[in-house]
Amino acid sequence: KNEVEQSPQNLTAQEGEFITINCSYSVGISALHWLQQHPGGGIVSLFMLSSGKKKHGRLIATINIQEKHSSLHITASHPRDSAVYICAVRFVETSGSRLTFGEGTQLTVNP
Amino acid sequence: DAGVIQSPRHEVTEMGQEVTLRCKPISGHNSLFWYRQTMMRGLELLIYFNNNVPIDDSGMPEDRFSAKMPNASFSTLKIQPSEPRDSAVYFCASSGTDRTIQYFGAGTRLSVL
Repeated sequence: KNEVEQSPQNLTAQEGEFITINCSYSVGISALHWLQQHPGGGIVSLFMLSSGKKKHGRLIATINIQEKHSSLHITASHPRDSAVYICAVRFVETSGSRLTFGEGTQLTVNP
Repeated sequence: DAGVIQSPRHEVTEMGQEVTLRCKPISGHNSLFWYRQTMMRGLELLIYFNNNVPIDDSGMPEDRFSAKMPNASFSTLKIQPSEPRDSAVYFCASSGTDRTIQYFGAGTRLSVL
């Protein structure tokens, strides 16, 4: 069964802390997306990656294809980073561009 | 660029009524996706189009749901007749191709009473 699991489900941190959100998937993928959903509901694509590591500002995404695992890191976290972070993958077995989504990680960063 | 534009932002309707959700993708994007988000099931793909052609509609819940893309700049998702269990936030997203980053609209929050 093609599954995507995220951990933790909920995460509370103090401003300035280093944050890690994890995503594991069950079978081979061709791409993995990290999305951010703001409290107002809007969704923003943060990264799409199929190997290695990508960095954008204070955000870093890594993926280990052999271990079927990806992490999203936030350095020097800030209250404005509070959001739901969603991992989504395109499984190799799936034709076309269907994405399978994790349940999301609710991040709260307190000042 | 205005981004992906969805309308309406909110829709409240009575069970049995027809509901039409609209989406204008980013100009030049060739792929358009319709998603539904609920507390119980999270984000789910309903259907996606490549160059205005439906490619994968296996996520469409049942015959009450239909989607069209008559041209590159407009798509609709229709529910007829609507039911309370259709209450959700419906997102439209577009991407340059079906293998690149997707840009999401603000969503339509649908409540069926």
